[in-house]
Amino acid sequence: AQSVAQPEDQVNVAEGNPLTVKCTYSVSGNPYLFWYVQYPNRGLQFLLKYITGDNLVKGSYGFEAEFNKSQTSFHLKKPSALVSDSALYFCAVRAPQTGANNLFFGTGTRLTVIP
Amino acid sequence: GAGVSQSPSNKVTEKGKDVELRCDPISGHTALYWYRQSLGQGLEFLIYFQGNSAPDKSGLPSDRFSAERTGGSVSTLTIQRTQQEDSAVYLCASSTAQTGEGIQYFGAGTRLSVL
Repeated sequence: AQSVAQPEDQVNVAEGNPLTVKCTYSVSGNPYLFWYVQYPNRGLQFLLKYITGDNLVKGSYGFEAEFNKSQTSFHLKKPSALVSDSALYFCAVRAPQTGANNLFFGTGTRLTVIP
Repeated sequence: GAGVSQSPSNKVTEKGKDVELRCDPISGHTALYWYRQSLGQGLEFLIYFQGNSAPDKSGLPSDRFSAERTGGSVSTLTIQRTQQEDSAVYLCASSTAQTGEGIQYFGAGTRLSVL
């Protein structure tokens, strides 16, 4: 069965500091991994994805994530946090080998960037 | 309006009543998904439509839930005899790719409150 774990419900970081939002996954075969962000009263917005190739993936708004197969992790990172980055972040996985096209989501991590 | 459109944005209903939630996907997107986001939980997959293929209903929680997609475009999620535990935000997403690599684009959701 596929699953995603986001171990931190809440992450606080000072503006200008680097941020990390953690994600680990469990899936059969090679995973497709995604990060989405949700602002209040808005739908989810795509940030970045890993399908294959370079383990370091760069996405929107200066975010990046590194796929680590041995640790089954896909942590989201940004070198310098902005107050406007404060939002709810979701990690998601798809297991193409199972034939399923839907995404399995983590429970989300609320990021607060403190001015 | 190039995004996924959902209506209504908010719906308050009484326990036992039926509700219909509508999703208008991005034009040309062949895949359409419904998810449910409950407070403090991640997104839960409900149902997936791809073109004219039979939908993947594996995520529907009970037979009170059903969905249809007319003409390969607009979709309606129907919940019969609503219960208080059905209260959640219902999100719709659409994408272009069948292979699972495609980015899912989400609507703003319908917040359902069952009194």
